[in-house]
Amino acid sequence: AQTVTQSQPEMSVQEAETVTLSCTYDTSESDYYLFWYKQPPSRQMILVIRQEAYKQQNATENRFSVNFQKAAKSFSLKISDSQLGDAAMYFCAYTENSGYALNFGKGTSLLVTP
Amino acid sequence: DTAVSQTPKYLVTQMGNDKSIKCEQNLGHDTMYWYKQDSKKFLKIMFSYNNKELIINETVPNRFSPKSPDKAHLNLHINSLELGDSAVYFCASSPGLAGLNEQFFGPGTRLTVL
Repeated sequence: AQTVTQSQPEMSVQEAETVTLSCTYDTSESDYYLFWYKQPPSRQMILVIRQEAYKQQNATENRFSVNFQKAAKSFSLKISDSQLGDAAMYFCAYTENSGYALNFGKGTSLLVTP
Repeated sequence: DTAVSQTPKYLVTQMGNDKSIKCEQNLGHDTMYWYKQDSKKFLKIMFSYNNKELIINETVPNRFSPKSPDKAHLNLHINSLELGDSAVYFCASSPGLAGLNEQFFGPGTRLTVL
């Protein structure tokens, strides 16, 4: 079974600074997909970024970027120029190429201070 | 227009009761999901349906029975509710496979069993 590990239960960052959230996963598959989801206090799940394992290029979405290290099975999220609205739970998720469900990590709670 | 809607948003009930949560998506997606988020915020897949066919039943007690009357609806019926069923239940949908396509989540239903 695939497992996703987020080793940082909580992180804190000052406004305008950069923060990196860690995620590692375990799989024997070569083709798979990785995601970061954001869950603000409203509890709505919002897709932040998606990475295909076969792509070596790291995905970016505006201030959000990932560092995907396939050999190390690592998938970290970097948030640049942090804003107060970035405060939320962040979940790393995995699915295999033919998967019909996301396997989530336990989440990292991000606090953004003024 | 709400893409994925769930009713009710909050549900408080007594142990032993039977309750249902309804989910509807107006995105024309083929695949729908139920996830459970426990008190520690851990999100876990319960069921996946593709074209009204059950694809994943992730070791969920038989007291939980999903029903998909058509591709736009996936309801969750729970019999003989237990204290441990208290959680937030999320419905989601996607055009197909979980990796190739973004999953759109509903707002969640917070179930409290007393």
